[in-house]
Amino acid sequence: EIVMTQSPATLSLSPGERATLSCWASQSVSTNLAWYQQKPGQAPRLLIFGASTRATGIPARFSGSGSGTQFTLTISGLQSEDFAVYYCQQYNTWPPLAFGGGTKVEIK
Amino acid sequence: EVQLLESGGGLVQPGGSLRLSCAASGFTFSTYAMSWVRQAPGKGLEWIAVTSGRGESSHYADSVKGRFTISRDNSKSTLYLQMNSLRVEDTAVYYCGRYTPCDYWGQGTLVTVSS
Repeated sequence: EIVMTQSPATLSLSPGERATLSCWASQSVSTNLAWYQQKPGQAPRLLIFGASTRATGIPARFSGSGSGTQFTLTISGLQSEDFAVYYCQQYNTWPPLAFGGGTKVEIK
Repeated sequence: EVQLLESGGGLVQPGGSLRLSCAASGFTFSTYAMSWVRQAPGKGLEWIAVTSGRGESSHYADSVKGRFTISRDNSKSTLYLQMNSLRVEDTAVYYCGRYTPCDYWGQGTLVTVSS
């Protein structure tokens, strides 16, 4: 079973700063890795799939990178609407379609 | 416009049963795998089940295997989750999602298991 780990648990940044979120897989998931954003009281929203492909309508300030076991989500120039919780999910080897524990990006 | 609308949540006693529904519209339902994902209060996302487009193949998380059953009625564009032998730890918001990874999500339905 593949286990997904995210760090840090919380990231405190100011608007306009760059956010770098990390996700690790316990074994290789190739590039079958997705990132989601979730705001309080809302359903998750798909941001990135295939480790680096932005989903429809996702702004270019969101970018994903990595392959194998190490992945990064970068938000270049945080905007007020970007403060949220971010989850990674592997879909290479399943079940389970494991999520990471999440990273909360909060306003500093 | 793709829409997913869950229903069927509520309060149930431990050991009880509940069936959730997810009504889909705006796309050809039968051509997409569908998942259920839950989120306990204040916790992260937990994937629990997925079924193929025709419903001939399904997979479950260990935490629900043998107690929950995912199914679909493609003639009604509806996904279901039959939940039996419910436990307090099954308390969560339950979301349905289209495809893997989930590109569209419903708004969620709250299931509370408590005596």
